[in-house]
Amino acid sequence: GESVGLHLPTLSVQEGDNSIINCAYSNSASDYFIWYKQESGKGPQFIIDIRSNMDKRQGQRVTVLLNKTVKHLSLQIAATQPGDSAVYFCAENGYNFNKFYFGSGTKLNVKP
Amino acid sequence: DAGITQSPRHKVTETGTPVTLRCHQTENHRYMYWYRQDPGHGLRLIHYSYGVKDTDKGEVSDGYSVSRSKTEDFLLTLESATSSQTSVYFCAITGTGNTEAFFGQGTRLTVV
Repeated sequence: GESVGLHLPTLSVQEGDNSIINCAYSNSASDYFIWYKQESGKGPQFIIDIRSNMDKRQGQRVTVLLNKTVKHLSLQIAATQPGDSAVYFCAENGYNFNKFYFGSGTKLNVKP
Repeated sequence: DAGITQSPRHKVTETGTPVTLRCHQTENHRYMYWYRQDPGHGLRLIHYSYGVKDTDKGEVSDGYSVSRSKTEDFLLTLESATSSQTSVYFCAITGTGNTEAFFGQGTRLTVV
């Protein structure tokens, strides 16, 4: 299957600091990437997406960066808040349209 | 929240018994997916459907079957449950086109 992995399983940040969560993917043909947030006991929720023809996309307090040269994706969260504490997953659709592959997740802990 | 309902939300069953999980959507989306989530593995695709009676295997399909007789319902069946199938199961849906997947709340299945 596809290989989508995360560099750090757990990330601890101070409230108010910026967070950066990284993700590597293996399929150079992937053309659509998504970041999901999963809170305890809930299903993953969409945060932001990016297509392969873009390098950067911004949302509300979040930015996704895509480096196709090294097949790397990152999620930046500005002014991290306690409510941001969750597990974050990256996903890519690989070469098979509408078939998503997920990384193993990074747990973000926000310290007050 | 996207209109996705999973049932049951929790189930405990004995080894060797059949189990069926149901995913119901009200969005009239074409694509439906079953994922399982286990510690250290993230979300892994079991089966997916791209239309009524059109299904295909994912990366961890052994021991599972699916059926989709109506657009709104996607059933996942464990013909003879094993302890290795203890997991949290998520249903997801996407529409046509390269868009994000929306997830249900999950079903926690324990096989004893």
